[in-house]
Amino acid sequence: EPEVTQTPSHQVTQMGQEVILRCVPISNHLYFYWYRQILGQKVEFLVSFYNNEISEKSEIFDDQFSVERPDGSNFTLKIRSTKLEDSAMYFCASREGLNSNQPQHFGDGTRLSIL
Amino acid sequence: AQKVTQAQTEISVVEKEDVTLDCVYETRDTTYYLFWYKQPPSGELVFLIRRNSFDEQNEISGRYSWNFQKSTSSFNFTITASQVVDSAVYFCALSEALNTGTASKLTFGTGTRLQVTL
Repeated sequence: EPEVTQTPSHQVTQMGQEVILRCVPISNHLYFYWYRQILGQKVEFLVSFYNNEISEKSEIFDDQFSVERPDGSNFTLKIRSTKLEDSAMYFCASREGLNSNQPQHFGDGTRLSIL
Repeated sequence: AQKVTQAQTEISVVEKEDVTLDCVYETRDTTYYLFWYKQPPSGELVFLIRRNSFDEQNEISGRYSWNFQKSTSSFNFTITASQVVDSAVYFCALSEALNTGTASKLTFGTGTRLQVTL
């Protein structure tokens, strides 16, 4: 069964450094998302992406964050200057079509640790 | 604004017991979608079930069943004859039914940690 893949599984970065988290969504999916989960807390929406542009973003997704779909397969999340509070599990998700009732399929996540 | 509340922080049951996970939601939309996701100790998020707001028929799928009641804004999830492998955090989530072409986000509850012991 096709799945969303995320790399790396764990990223350790010094505070202030830039980090890029990578995702390969399911190939025929049209909608892409990033969520984050601070340890022990709920999953929070960051940004959604459709038709090569941001569809919606949350308050968390400030100027330090950006997303890109540089080619036909990858979907990346960049954090320009990481802070300690960016430490979290970051999940990429994709959804197939136009109906909101179709489930979002999640990758296994990237655990980001900021030192 | 949407909100999902899972009042049960943690539930512990003995294997073979039935367990119900509660979910209460708030939304101004008349059409919306509800989901349950499972997060096992390995950390991934696994889609389990979904329900449309206009379909209140409750269903059973294997050991899983759900009870959607629009009048009380609840979407409860039951595992029958629980097994140790069911131990995980379970998240209820809500999505708006937005216009075509809009990538509607999921709003998650805080999760219920289910521990199934022998």
